[in-house]
Amino acid sequence: AQSVTQPDIHITVSEGASLELRCNYSYGATPYLFWYVQSPGQGLQLLLKYFSGDTLVQGIKGFEAEFKRSQSSFNPRKPSVHWSDAAEYFCAVGAGFTNAGKSTFGDGTTLTVKP
Amino acid sequence: DTGVSQNPRHKITKRGQNVTFRCDPISEHNRLYWYRQTLGQGPEFLTYFQNEAQLEKSRLLSDRFSAERPKGSFSTLEIQRTEQGDSAMYLCASSLIGGPQETQYFGPGTRLLVL
Repeated sequence: AQSVTQPDIHITVSEGASLELRCNYSYGATPYLFWYVQSPGQGLQLLLKYFSGDTLVQGIKGFEAEFKRSQSSFNPRKPSVHWSDAAEYFCAVGAGFTNAGKSTFGDGTTLTVKP
Repeated sequence: DTGVSQNPRHKITKRGQNVTFRCDPISEHNRLYWYRQTLGQGPEFLTYFQNEAQLEKSRLLSDRFSAERPKGSFSTLEIQRTEQGDSAMYLCASSLIGGPQETQYFGPGTRLLVL
């Protein structure tokens, strides 16, 4: 069965610094990988996803991620963090081709941005 | 497109009472998902519908929980005889099935507190 683990419960970065979020994925033959962002009082918003095709994916809020099959990684990066990026970030893996929407989520990484 | 809406946004109830939550998906979406999110954890899948058919239920969904999606439009999630352990955020998401590019859109959630 698919699973995800987020190794960083909390990350603090200074505004303007670079950021990389991490997730350890375990999936079947085909990856259905997601990242979501959740701001306080807001619903989950899709940040990035990877199913197939180009392994470099552009997401919202200036994030990008590269799928590396050999490492089972799909880690979002942002070169310069803004205070508005402070939020909780969740990685998730979908259940399969026809059921990618049924996802298993990690426990989240809380991002704090220092001025 | 007004997005996914959930009502109420907050619910406080006493142990043993029944509660019902409503989710209105994006109008053309044919899949609807329910998740539960407890503090410090990521969302956990509860159940999902394709049109009006409930296709899968998680083992998390005890017999006190029931969900419906009459006519394939809005959905309700009812918890009978609530327990303190039911306190959580209940999230709804909808998507349009159409191959591997299924993207879920989440509502803001209903936060339940059982006293």
